Amino acid sequence: DTGVSQDPRHKITKRGQNVTFRCDPISEHNRLYWYRQTLGQGPEFLTYFQNEAQLEKSRLLSDRFSAERPKGSFSTLEIQRTEQGDSAMYLCASRPWTGGDTQYFGPGTRLTVL
Amino acid sequence: ILNVEQSPQSLHVQEGDSTNFTCSFPSSNFYALHWYRWETAKSPEALFVMTLNGDEKKKGRISATLNTKEGYSYLYIKGSQPEDSATYLCAFPNAGGTSYGKLTFGQGTILTVHP
Repeated sequence: DTGVSQDPRHKITKRGQNVTFRCDPISEHNRLYWYRQTLGQGPEFLTYFQNEAQLEKSRLLSDRFSAERPKGSFSTLEIQRTEQGDSAMYLCASRPWTGGDTQYFGPGTRLTVL
Repeated sequence: ILNVEQSPQSLHVQEGDSTNFTCSFPSSNFYALHWYRWETAKSPEALFVMTLNGDEKKKGRISATLNTKEGYSYLYIKGSQPEDSATYLCAFPNAGGTSYGKLTFGQGTILTVHP
């Protein structure tokens, strides 16, 4: 399977704990996006990487959130001191430099903060 | 703030029914419109990328049309099957700058097809 993978698929944590999610994009896709989807809403943009450079962060991404893509391949999204409002589906998507606008999504990480 | 609206929010149909839903978007500075299908516990799957006014695209029993002048796109499903049950999302990509390609999604239409 050469699609986008995300790990873990589900995470349950207590309020105040730190969590980290991982995204492995399709090989050679240099553009990588993180989105968050809450109940009843469509996915909302969080951040964008072009290779290892983080080019944009949404204002939704508070100081408790940090994302990295250290070698321009996989990416991690960390949430510190989780709050109940962080409960959501976190989606990762990748796309190549050229060859169309389609983004290829992973299955997401479902976060539940108790 | 880009406003992408989808209607209806949810839809229940019987197997064999044909159905359609709407995505509305700002008609100025149009670049492209994406349609995705998102089945439970799976990855969102790209259906169509539409770029030209009057465009009509088809994939099996699913088709989509685009009107960039009035700012809407329709998605049609002919002869719905239970496996068509999913959330259908439309999205508007950013055409340039530091967030090139980032998608602004509508809230989605949840389709349930009853056998």
